[in-house]
Amino acid sequence: GDSVTQMEGPVTLSEEAFLTINCTYTATGYPSLFWYVQYPGEGLQLLLKATKADDKGSNKGFEATYRKETTSFHLEKGSVQVSDSAVYFCALSHSSGGSYIPTFGRGTSLIVHP
Amino acid sequence: DVKVTQSSRYLVKRTGEKVFLECVQDMDHENMFWYRQDPGLGLRLIYFSYDVKMKEKGDIPEGYSVSREKKERFSLILESASTNQTSMYLCASRQENEKLFFGSGTQLSVL
Repeated sequence: GDSVTQMEGPVTLSEEAFLTINCTYTATGYPSLFWYVQYPGEGLQLLLKATKADDKGSNKGFEATYRKETTSFHLEKGSVQVSDSAVYFCALSHSSGGSYIPTFGRGTSLIVHP
Repeated sequence: DVKVTQSSRYLVKRTGEKVFLECVQDMDHENMFWYRQDPGLGLRLIYFSYDVKMKEKGDIPEGYSVSREKKERFSLILESASTNQTSMYLCASRQENEKLFFGSGTQLSVL
C-alpha cells in the first residue's frame, strides 16, 4: 500500500538557517503530494502541494518539488524564523477504489531558536 | 474560509463510558475523516466517510464507530472508552481529491 517516510525530528535550527525536511513516498500511479503544518495547540493546515511530476509547490518562503524519479518531496526554506517552529507532515493522496485516502508521514518537529 | 468545528477542545472521561466526539463542517464537503494523533506515531486514520450514511474503516477502527446522518456532521463514537484511547482526535473534511481542512482537535483523556 501507499506510505510516506519523513526524517525523524526534532530538527533544531537557529533563526535564518537553511531548512530541509526530507520526505519520500511509495505509491502506485501518480499521487498528489502535500506538506501540512501544525502549530502548537492547533489542527493541521495545508502549507503547499504539487499534483504532478516536476511541479514545485511554494508558500510563505517554503518550497518542495515533486520528484518522481526519486519518489521524493523534500521541504526547504532558505531562512527560517522562530515563528516557523511547528510540526510538519508530508502526505500523499492517491486514488484507491475512488476514495482518495490520504496517507501521512509521522511528522517532523521543527524548533527554531532566536 | 472553510470551517471544521470539533465540539470539545478537552474532554475527560472514565473507563467504560460511551463517548461522542462531534465534528461539523460548513462547506458542503463530501469526504470527512477521523484521525488520532499520538507522539511518535503521527496521524492514524480511524474511519472516513465519502458521503452521507457511507463509512469506511481506516487503519485502526477497533473500539470505534462513526455516524454520518447529515452531510455536514461526522461523529466518532467510543462505545466503551479505555485508557489506551487517550489521545488527540482530529477531524478533517475535503472535496474530492483536494486539500484537507482540519479542526483544532479534541484532547481526550480516559481515566
